[in-house]
Amino acid sequence: LAKTTQPISMDSYEGQEVNITCSHNNIATNDYITWYQQFPSQGPRFIIQGYKTKVTNEVASLFIPADRKSSTLSLPRVSLSDTAVYYCLVGDGGNTPLVFGKGTRLSVIA
Amino acid sequence: EPEVTQTPSHQVTQMGQEVILRCVPISNHLYFYWYRQILGQKVEFLVSFYNNEISEKSEIFDDQFSVERPDGSNFTLKIRSTKLEDSAMYFCASSEVPSGADTQYFGPGTRLTVL
Repeated sequence: LAKTTQPISMDSYEGQEVNITCSHNNIATNDYITWYQQFPSQGPRFIIQGYKTKVTNEVASLFIPADRKSSTLSLPRVSLSDTAVYYCLVGDGGNTPLVFGKGTRLSVIA
Repeated sequence: EPEVTQTPSHQVTQMGQEVILRCVPISNHLYFYWYRQILGQKVEFLVSFYNNEISEKSEIFDDQFSVERPDGSNFTLKIRSTKLEDSAMYFCASSEVPSGADTQYFGPGTRLTVL
């Protein structure tokens, strides 16, 4: 499994765009990049998944450069309710369990 | 939107006691998982289950742990003789297809406190 590295924590003011970058230098050809969000005392929740270039949904955008050795989760105009831990996961989507790192703790300040 | 449910939300038990944590996966899902998260630490995989048998388990999932799908809706995790270090949040997850990351849906968790 490819190892992922992401910042331990980030702070942002409400209304700002937040970009969280994840490094995954050893990503394999078959691997996808997936981001989960976890609020305190809740289970992780799927946000977005991509393989290359850019993916956008109603919650976030995911930017993946051509070499796929990193990815950036972009949250537009964050609010206080976006305060959570964000996890970057890399895997081939086959029958393997999810492996969570320590994630990035995002604190949104009013 | 369908969701995974878990009961109880909080379980307090004495060391050495048996506990059963219950989960109701999303109804058309076929793959089931248990994860745990010790306070302040990472979410850790325990076990995956498909077609009434364990597909994969981690080193954490030793002989004290067992899983069962006793009927068509419930999925349970049993800890036979709890230890202090079993205190954690336990999350159940389910997916319609093998654990492609975008298809696992997590429940709200059961907080287990072992005294």
